[in-house]
Amino acid sequence: AQSVSQHNHHVILSEAASLELGCNYSYGGTVNLFWYVQYPGQHLQLLLKYFSGDPLVKGIKGFEAEFIKSKFSFNLRKPSVQWSDTAEYFCAVNAGGGSQGNLIFGKGTKLSVKP
Amino acid sequence: DAMVIQNPRYQVTQFGKPVTLSCSQTLNHNVMYWYQQKSSQAPKLLFHYYDKDFNNEADTPDNFQSRRPNTSFCFLDIRSPGLGDAAMYLCATSSHYNEQFFGPGTRLTVL
Repeated sequence: AQSVSQHNHHVILSEAASLELGCNYSYGGTVNLFWYVQYPGQHLQLLLKYFSGDPLVKGIKGFEAEFIKSKFSFNLRKPSVQWSDTAEYFCAVNAGGGSQGNLIFGKGTKLSVKP
Repeated sequence: DAMVIQNPRYQVTQFGKPVTLSCSQTLNHNVMYWYQQKSSQAPKLLFHYYDKDFNNEADTPDNFQSRRPNTSFCFLDIRSPGLGDAAMYLCATSSHYNEQFFGPGTRLTVL
């Protein structure tokens, strides 16, 4: 069965530290890849997405992610986090390259940024 | 602002008492989804409508049903809620199978 793994359950950083959240998926075919963010008390929002083309994707609020097909990975990065980045981050995969509706989520990583 | 709206935000029901959760959207998207998210777990797709076509996930229990009377509205019916059905229920929409836009969710408590 297809699955998405997020390696870190809870990450605690100080402001200005660099961030990298890991995401690996298991699906051998074409995929669309997403990172969603959920700020405290708010709904899931799209941070960035990869469908095709340049494997380095830039999203909102200074986030970026790199798709490495050979490693089945789509890690999220930010060079310098802010207190306002405190949130839960979900990696998600749409198997079949968008021909199906099934968006498979990872379990999420809680990011706490200390001021 | 175009958005996905879920009502109510919090729902309390009794064991075995049917409950209906509501989702509406102003995005005019043709696909609507229902997810279940339990504490500290990933959202799990229950089913989705592509236009009027209903697509059920293979492991979604029969206890969960859905209706989509028109493009804007979609309902989740839980016929006989059990304690294990307590969760956050998320509605999402998309234009075809592109990026999904989520509502704020309804937290269901089963007593």
